[in-house]
Amino acid sequence: DTGVSQNPRHKITKRGQNVTFRCDPISEHNRLYWYRQTLGQGPEFLTYFQNEAQLEKSRLLSDRFSAERPKGSFSTLEIQRTEQGDSAMYLCASSPHGTTDTQYFGPGTRLTVL
Amino acid sequence: KNQVEQSPQSLIILEGKNCTLQCNYTVSPFSNLRWYKQDTGRGPVSLTIMTFSENTKSNGRYTATLDADTKQSSLHITASQLSDSASYICVVSVRDSNYQLIWGAGTKLIIKP
Repeated sequence: DTGVSQNPRHKITKRGQNVTFRCDPISEHNRLYWYRQTLGQGPEFLTYFQNEAQLEKSRLLSDRFSAERPKGSFSTLEIQRTEQGDSAMYLCASSPHGTTDTQYFGPGTRLTVL
Repeated sequence: KNQVEQSPQSLIILEGKNCTLQCNYTVSPFSNLRWYKQDTGRGPVSLTIMTFSENTKSNGRYTATLDADTKQSSLHITASQLSDSASYICVVSVRDSNYQLIWGAGTKLIIKP
């Protein structure tokens, strides 16, 4: 399977715990994006990487959120001290270049904070 | 403010019928407009992408139109199938932006047998 993969698919955690999600993009894609999506809404942009460089972060990305892409391949998104409002689907996408290229999405990680 | 609005919010039709979903946008400067299909619990999948100069684009039973003057787009689904049940999201790219996509909230389409 050469698509975008995300792990885990589901995560249930208690408020205050830290969680980490992983995204493996399509191998030849140098751009990687993280989005958050709540029920009935479109995805909200969180951050994006070009290779290993994190080039943009949304204001939605509070200090509790951090993303890395250390070798320009897979990426991780960590949420510290989770809150109930963090419950959402976290989507990862990759594209070869810029906005004229289609972003290919992974299946998402659904986070539930109790 | 850059915005994408979709209508209707939800739609139920019988299998085999046609339907049209609407997207109005106020995004400037405009780069391109895409329609995505998102099945429940899955990531979005691209259906069509249109630039400023394109009026229509087809992908099988899906046909998207774009009127850049009125800033409106539509997605027409012909001879609907049960597998068309999903959310359809309109997304507009901002020109000269490396990342900025303006997402609509989507139209939830349910096809009934």
